[in-house]
Amino acid sequence: GNSVTQMEGPVTLSEEAFLTINCTYTATGYPSLFWYVQYPGEGLQLLLKATKADDKGSNKGFEATYRKETTSFHLEKGSVQVSDSAVYFCALSPPNFGNEKLTFGTGTRLTIIP
Amino acid sequence: GAGVSQSPSNKVTEKGKDVELRCDPISGHTALYWYRQSLGQGLEFLIYFQGNSAPDKSGLPSDRFSAERTGGSVSTLTIQRTQQEDSAVYLCASSFLREETQYFGPGTRLLVL
Repeated sequence: GNSVTQMEGPVTLSEEAFLTINCTYTATGYPSLFWYVQYPGEGLQLLLKATKADDKGSNKGFEATYRKETTSFHLEKGSVQVSDSAVYFCALSPPNFGNEKLTFGTGTRLTIIP
Repeated sequence: GAGVSQSPSNKVTEKGKDVELRCDPISGHTALYWYRQSLGQGLEFLIYFQGNSAPDKSGLPSDRFSAERTGGSVSTLTIQRTQQEDSAVYLCASSFLREETQYFGPGTRLLVL
């Protein structure tokens, strides 16, 4: 079946540090890939997505590239801010199913210290 | 406009009791999803409603779990004879079309004693 494995947290970084949160997946075909973010006290929000190989999703300074050859979708940001402190979830949806049946990773808690 | 809302935000119950969790999707959204997040686990898909079609119940963990969606809008997730392993955060999401982004509610944190 489909599965998502992401870097275990928690991750603590200083402000302006470079961030990488690893995500790899197992799926047949070409799934769509997502990063969701959950800020303290808020619901999950879509951060970025990519729907085919070599696509790069980007938003709020975050980027992730869909790598079919390594089945990865690592999240990166060049200079993190305190406001980026949140829990980040990598997810996939199988091909031909649109957005239903999202399969999520376990989440990575990120804390940025000033 | 208002986002997805869920109630209650927290629920503590005794083992063996029934609970009902409510989700109000964004107005006009035709698709509604329930997920569960257990301690240390990712979010598990539970059930999916799309318009007037029969729901996809393939993620429900047991026959103690059921859900309905009345009038194509509000949804209720019911857990009968709750067990301690049912303790989790239950998240609801909605989307306008099946291919669109899912918008999540804040969740209901359920604790079964």
